[in-house]
Amino acid sequence: GQNIDQPTEMTATEGAIVQINCTYQTSGFNGLFWYQQHAGEAPTFLSYNVLDGLEEKGRFSSFLSRSKGYSYLLLKELQMKDSASYLCAVRDSNYQLIWGAGTKLIIKP
Amino acid sequence: DAMVIQNPRYQVTQFGKPVTLSCSQTLNHNVMYWYQQKSSQAPKLLFHYYDKDFNNEADTPDNFQSRRPNTSFCFLDIRSPGLGDAAMYLCATSWQRGGVDTQYFGPGTRLTVL
Repeated sequence: GQNIDQPTEMTATEGAIVQINCTYQTSGFNGLFWYQQHAGEAPTFLSYNVLDGLEEKGRFSSFLSRSKGYSYLLLKELQMKDSASYLCAVRDSNYQLIWGAGTKLIIKP
Repeated sequence: DAMVIQNPRYQVTQFGKPVTLSCSQTLNHNVMYWYQQKSSQAPKLLFHYYDKDFNNEADTPDNFQSRRPNTSFCFLDIRSPGLGDAAMYLCATSWQRGGVDTQYFGPGTRLTVL
């Protein structure tokens, strides 16, 4: 079967750095997406990785290792508004998007 | 601004009473998706339209139907809602002609079944 694993919940301090990991086992790979979802709202697109390495976008960076089936989302200079769930999704060989259940990130002052 | 719009944002219905949720987009994307998401769970794809072609997920109950009368609009019909159908329903769109087909989501409709 296809599977995306993310930690259920993480806690970090305002101003700090946090890394949210995602491991996947899918039938093929055609890209990995990270989305942010605030409580009661829709997911919003954060980043896309299809090649190995780090993609940086302001305070957020996303890393991919296809050989390890692994990605992480790195959030720097955390702000209270970063409190949200972060969803990892992988596009498989059939171009279907397989979603993780998300990591709930709690930011404390 | 180009966007995905869902109406209503909140819908309350009675057990067994049909309900229709709507989605419209100004992105001119060729693919539209309907997802069901329950609390602390991954979004679950119900079906999607690739242009006019309807694609139903194998485990989507027959109780759920969809219509896409034109490029901009898509509807989700729940014929006989049960208590287990209470969830957030998310509409998403993407442009799928090669390249990165990032999905963009509407704000969602939260369905309550009494």
